Amino acid sequence: GQNIDQPTEMTATEGAIVQINCTYQTSGFNGLFWYQQHAGEAPTFLSYNVLDGLEEKGRFSSFLSRSKGYSYLLLKELQMKDSASYLCAVRSPPSGGSYIPTFGRGTSLIVHP
Amino acid sequence: EPEVTQTPSHQVTQMGQEVILHCVPISNHLYFYWYRQILGQKVEFLVSFYNNEISEKSEIFDDQFSVERPDGSNFTLKIRSTKLEDSAMYFCASSQDGAQETQYFGPGTRLLVL
Repeated sequence: GQNIDQPTEMTATEGAIVQINCTYQTSGFNGLFWYQQHAGEAPTFLSYNVLDGLEEKGRFSSFLSRSKGYSYLLLKELQMKDSASYLCAVRSPPSGGSYIPTFGRGTSLIVHP
Repeated sequence: EPEVTQTPSHQVTQMGQEVILHCVPISNHLYFYWYRQILGQKVEFLVSFYNNEISEKSEIFDDQFSVERPDGSNFTLKIRSTKLEDSAMYFCASSQDGAQETQYFGPGTRLLVL
């Protein structure tokens, strides 16, 4: 089975740095995604990690440790518009040919002034 | 920038009725997906579609669900006899490659079954 854990909610101050953790236990691993989802909207892609280490993309960075089943999303210089749900999704190897992500419940980040 | 589009944005239906949700994936993408998200819950995979056939489906995707690519651009999800618990946001997504490419999500259709 697949199990993905993330904190339910986090709060942070505008301009600060926040780290959102994700741990997973899955039957097979073929990459981990982070998505941002504003309320009532579709998820939008933030990052993809398949090898261990840190991937940096502007204000957002994502880290993966496959041996620990652990990832984090780091958001720097927080802005009010970063208030959203952050979804961790782990992709499993294909059986029928497609790679299917399993999503965590998401971490609701609230950025306050 | 190309994007996935979905229609309608909202659909209200009576329990037992059939609904068809429409999606137009990004034009050069080959893999298509449907997900649903019940209000306040996590995104759940329903089905993936490649080369005009279903490649993966979850246990949620039972006999009341079907997908079709009726022409070169549309990708539809049909729910034959809707139940109250089918009320959710339904997202279509597409990717160029099933292996390494990320999936791009459409804006979703909010389905309410009364």
